[in-house]
Amino acid sequence: DVKVTQSSRYLVKRTGEKVFLECVQDMDHENMFWYRQDPGLGLRLIYFSYDVKMKEKGDIPEGYSVSREKKERFSLILESASTNQTSMYLCASTTREAGANVLTFGAGSRLTVL
Amino acid sequence: GEDVEQSLFLSVREGDSSVINCTYTDSSSTYLYWYKQEPGAGLQLLTYIFSNMDMKQDQRLTVLLNKKDKHLSLRIADTQTGDSAIYFCAESADSWGKFQFGAGTQVVVTP
Repeated sequence: DVKVTQSSRYLVKRTGEKVFLECVQDMDHENMFWYRQDPGLGLRLIYFSYDVKMKEKGDIPEGYSVSREKKERFSLILESASTNQTSMYLCASTTREAGANVLTFGAGSRLTVL
Repeated sequence: GEDVEQSLFLSVREGDSSVINCTYTDSSSTYLYWYKQEPGAGLQLLTYIFSNMDMKQDQRLTVLLNKKDKHLSLRIADTQTGDSAIYFCAESADSWGKFQFGAGTQVVVTP
């Protein structure tokens, strides 16, 4: 089974702190994604990466950056955390299954910014 | 832009069928998906359907697709308490694997 591991399940940070959210996948997938999930809004794409050192903005990239130095690892960075970034963050990678793109998600990282 | 809409809440009695509905706007969607999220967990793929199909059945799950009306539904037969979760409808149309998700339908199963 594909595994997507998010190392931090729960974090509490203060406004202005720098935050790193780490994600590792173990199946050599090329495409990796960061979403944030808020009640009533569903999942919104922050950034995605289709290869090492490559990144593309999603729908809500403001206030975030990403790093992909190794194929298996995709990090989300909040340079200066703000209270409106309190949310659940979900990492995912894709594989192809009978022609369909299939997203496999990590368990999520719940971030609270005080 | 692309939009996926679904109702936010559904209450169903144990043993009854649940039907969760979804509408989407992107006519170029090639695959449509249903994901399930249990409390405190990430999303888990339930099933998906290719856009040229009308129906797909997988054990207790039946997916119906009306491409003309851009309407997707998920029927869960004999709903159990373990089916209580948030269900997300999603569509994908591009080669990168980018998805558009609905807001999620909270399904509560009562005894």
